[in-house]
Amino acid sequence: GQNIDQPTEMTATEGAIVQINCTYQTSGFNGLFWYQQHAGEAPTFLSYNVLDGLEEKGRFSSFLSRSKGYSYLLLKELQMKDSASYLCAVRDQYSGGGADGLTFGKGTHLIIQP
Amino acid sequence: EAGVAQSPRYKIIEKRQSVAFWCNPISGHATLYWYQQILGQGPKLLIQFQNNGVVDDSQLPKDRFSAERLKGVDSTLKIQPAKLEDSAVYLCASSSAYNEQFFGPGTRLTVL
Repeated sequence: GQNIDQPTEMTATEGAIVQINCTYQTSGFNGLFWYQQHAGEAPTFLSYNVLDGLEEKGRFSSFLSRSKGYSYLLLKELQMKDSASYLCAVRDQYSGGGADGLTFGKGTHLIIQP
Repeated sequence: EAGVAQSPRYKIIEKRQSVAFWCNPISGHATLYWYQQILGQGPKLLIQFQNNGVVDDSQLPKDRFSAERLKGVDSTLKIQPAKLEDSAVYLCASSSAYNEQFFGPGTRLTVL
């Protein structure tokens, strides 16, 4: 099974930087995903980490430490449109049967203030 | 490229009634998932199909939920009979070759 923890809510200022943490305890691990979800909309893919280290994609970066069961999503140069929920999700160890559904955390509601 | 399509977008029913949701994945995506997202929670996997076969349905409440993907493309998720606690957004997602999942807009179900 999987247990994923992330803060419920965070507030940041437009133009600043914010880091959203995610910790996980899993029976198996084959990748960690970050998704963004605006209110009333579908989740959209932001980033994927399977090896330790930092992945950078424009204003968004994601870090993974498998030994610590820890990841973070870093958002730079915050814009008002970044106000959304950010979901951390873990993919279980590949079993060979093809099952690769994600286990999601409850999400972090990020509020951007002017 | 067209995204994942779902219908209806909204549905209101009374408890003990039946309801069905439809999903059309991105063209060429062999894998299709149904998730349930209760307000304030992250999505929870209900069932995963690979082509028209079920790969994982370990979290599907099989006494009331059923799903099919007969021709390996479209899929239908059914609830019969519905309970109050089934009120949620039902998200369909698809992926190709073990890559990231793309989500549809969801169906918001309210059970009264």
